[in-house]
Amino acid sequence: GAGVSQSPSNKVTEKGKDVELRCDPISGHTALYWYRQSLGQGLEFLIYFQGNSAPDKSGLPSDRFSAERTGGSVSTLTIQRTQQEDSAVYLCASSLGVAAYIDYNEQFFGPGTRLTVL
Amino acid sequence: DQQVKQNSPSLSVQEGRISILNCDYTNSMFDYFLWYKKYPAEGPTFLISISSIKDKNEDGRFTVFLNKSAKHLSLHIVPSQPGDSAVYFCAASARGTSYGKLTFGQGTILTVHP
Repeated sequence: GAGVSQSPSNKVTEKGKDVELRCDPISGHTALYWYRQSLGQGLEFLIYFQGNSAPDKSGLPSDRFSAERTGGSVSTLTIQRTQQEDSAVYLCASSLGVAAYIDYNEQFFGPGTRLTVL
Repeated sequence: DQQVKQNSPSLSVQEGRISILNCDYTNSMFDYFLWYKKYPAEGPTFLISISSIKDKNEDGRFTVFLNKSAKHLSLHIVPSQPGDSAVYFCAASARGTSYGKLTFGQGTILTVHP
């Protein structure tokens, strides 16, 4: 595809349920990132994957959050036992790679998944 | 702690005039800075970036200025157009193991009036 795609575009769930959010990065991009934007806030880094290296999970807010990247391509962000404070737009981005080269750090974002926890 | 701050939540400008969006940062390890633009219901799109080895980078109507001593950067849009109306985020990253992680400001809503 031409850009980063995410599914679903909207997700409404009940408190306590688990949710899975999917991200398809741009073909050939080795780096993949997850962010979230809560109402009135900036983008908050969650996790990033770079090639076969161990992911940087430093932004995950709790152990209810986890993410996987299968085959170096598609990624799934899982939130277990959702809470109302998890309501936000979850954004995925990909880039060619992470390196000292300036251009490699340009991240291309998907449209996001709007998660609402009732 | 908010390491990247955009202190102006909104900015209103007349078409054809200059728009200046400001951003301050606190982490001296940041060495690469980016501006993203976001329309409603869409993901942010990359606009322009600057490395800490430069103090200015220009791309068409968009210029980013970096003042390292003040830990301040700004985005100038000249001339402003109604289609520039969007939310603008500045972001920063640091080399090393955290290089892939962008730290974003809260965003500034720019409105350009015809």
